[in-house]
Amino acid sequence: ELKVEQNPLFLSMQEGKNYTIYCNYSTTSDRLYWYRQDPGKSLESLFVLLSNGAVKQEGRLMASLDTKARLSTLHITAAVHDLSATYFCARRGGTSYGKLTFGQGTILTVHP
Amino acid sequence: EPEVTQTPSHQVTQMGQEVILRCVPISNHLYFYWYRQILGQKVEFLVSFYNNEISEKSEIFDDQFSVERPDGSNFTLKIRSTKLEDSAMYFCASRARASLAKNIQYFGAGTRLSVL
Repeated sequence: ELKVEQNPLFLSMQEGKNYTIYCNYSTTSDRLYWYRQDPGKSLESLFVLLSNGAVKQEGRLMASLDTKARLSTLHITAAVHDLSATYFCARRGGTSYGKLTFGQGTILTVHP
Repeated sequence: EPEVTQTPSHQVTQMGQEVILRCVPISNHLYFYWYRQILGQKVEFLVSFYNNEISEKSEIFDDQFSVERPDGSNFTLKIRSTKLEDSAMYFCASRARASLAKNIQYFGAGTRLSVL
């Protein structure tokens, strides 16, 4: 059974600081996704990582994938308040139908 | 931009009642999903649907749950006899054909189900 673990679960940051969210998964699988969720809202797709060594960047967020270590990271550079949200990583399941297994989520709060 | 639409946004029901949650996936998508998120917890897969049949389901998706695509646009989740523990946010998602490399699932805004 595929398991996905994120840490930290809670992250309180000051604006301007850098930090990294980690996502470990238990079994080999393809495609690692990062989603953002604002309170009471839906999940917004941020990144899709398809292969080992993949790196994607959008603004202050950068995601990477190391399939050998079964690890993905979401790095936040010079955080701003607008980045406050819950971030989920998700791994696609073993079948072609594509069920996603989510991590617990990291609640990020950026303070002035 | 195309989006997944869910109705209602909030559904309140009495324990034991039947509820139907409705979703309109993105029009050219072929794969459809329901997930749920109990307050403060992670998002959990319920069921996937492809080619007019269930392709995969989780242990949560027991005999009380069913899905249907009654026409070319709607995708519904029915809970026959709701329990208190069914209270959660239910998300519908859809994605395009399998040959697209990214296979991103697009999520609706969710239906918050409150069982009293």
